[in-house]
Parts: sequence; structure tokens; C-alpha cells
Amino acid sequence: SQQGEEDPQALSIQEGENATMNCSYKTSINNLQWYRQNSGRGLVHLILIRSNEREKHSGRLRVTLDTSKKSSSLLITASRAADTASYFCATDSGAGSYQLTFGKGTKLSVIP
Amino acid sequence: EAQVTQNPRYLITVTGKKLTVTCSQNMNHEYMSWYRQDPGLGLRQIYYSMNVEVTDKGDVPEGYKVSRKEKRNFPLILESPSPNQTSLYFCASRVLGGNNEQFFGPGTRLTVL
Repeated sequence: SQQGEEDPQALSIQEGENATMNCSYKTSINNLQWYRQNSGRGLVHLILIRSNEREKHSGRLRVTLDTSKKSSSLLITASRAADTASYFCATDSGAGSYQLTFGKGTKLSVIP
Repeated sequence: EAQVTQNPRYLITVTGKKLTVTCSQNMNHEYMSWYRQDPGLGLRQIYYSMNVEVTDKGDVPEGYKVSRKEKRNFPLILESPSPNQTSLYFCASRVLGGNNEQFFGPGTRLTVL
């Protein structure tokens, strides 16, 4: 099955800096979603971008999608210590199973 | 409050002792799913259900069973747990169709000795 792959696996930045995470996937998608997971806890939905959209914003989050390159990026601006978490992209193929396929995640550490 | 609940949150058991992890959602979602999360492997889907009495295998269904007798509940059953099922388990639900986010439960950390 298709799978999103995040890059980098881990990222450490200073508070106030921007954090960029990338996701690549293999087959066509209906939408791509980003989730955050605080250590050992449930995933929380951050933002969804449809296949016909190129960029989307939500607060300090900016997501881009390039379907020709099968890639997406998540930018967190002016990071805060509370942004420390793992971030996952998930692809929704729109096929009959409604399955979301998750990547392995990027572990972000924001140092105060 | 809209939520997905799981019980228990933590469980230590022994090989072969049947167990059930419950999952319940209060959002009237048609779609429910179970995932396991392991270091270096990310989230992998175990089973999913698109409605009452409709269940199907995900990517890693071996050793697990599920049932969907009511819309709100989707229990995960391990008939004979083994140590390789030690993992962090998540239940999730979503509205079917369209472009919809998935809501996750808080997780169940299972250790099989």
C-alpha cells in the first residue's frame, strides 16, 4: 500500500525559529493530512489539503502540496516549546477502503 | 465533548490470555479503525469498519479480531496474545466520504509477557 515518508526523521530547533517537515508518497491521492502526536498520546489532526489545492494555512501552520512530485511540506512558523511533538503525514487515496496511510513521522524538538 | 475513548489505557498480560480493548466514539461516525504503533514502523492499520456489521482487514490483521455490533463501539480482541503484539494501540473514527479528518483515542499501551 502507498505510504507517506516524512523527512527528516528528527529535527531540533530553537524557539522562535521555523520548522519545515517534508512528506513524500507513492500513488495518487484524494487528500493529504498532517497530524501531531505528543509523546505516547493520541494523534491530533492539524490540517488537510485536497489534491486540487497547492497551499493551505491554519494559524502558524502552512502546508504545501505538489502532486506532480508527490510531496508535501509542513511549515510551523515562530515555533514554541509546546510544538515539541512528532508530526505525521497521512495520505487518503479516496478509494473504497477510506484508509489513511501514515508515514513514520518527524520528531520535532523545540528548545526554549 | 466529541471524543474517542479506549479502555484500558495500560495493560500488562501474559502470553495466551485472551483480552479485549474497548473503543467507543460519541460522534456518530460510520468509520472506525484500529492501528498499532511501533518504533520505527509508524502507524499500521489492523482492522477497520465502515458501518455496523461491516469489518475488513487492514495491513496487519493477523492475531486480532474485531466486531461492530453497535455504531459507537469497535472492540479489538486478542484471542491468544503473543509478545510480538506488545505495542501502542489506537482506535480512530471518522465520517465516511469526502475530505474528513480522523479522530483518535488516547491509546492503549499493551505489554505481553
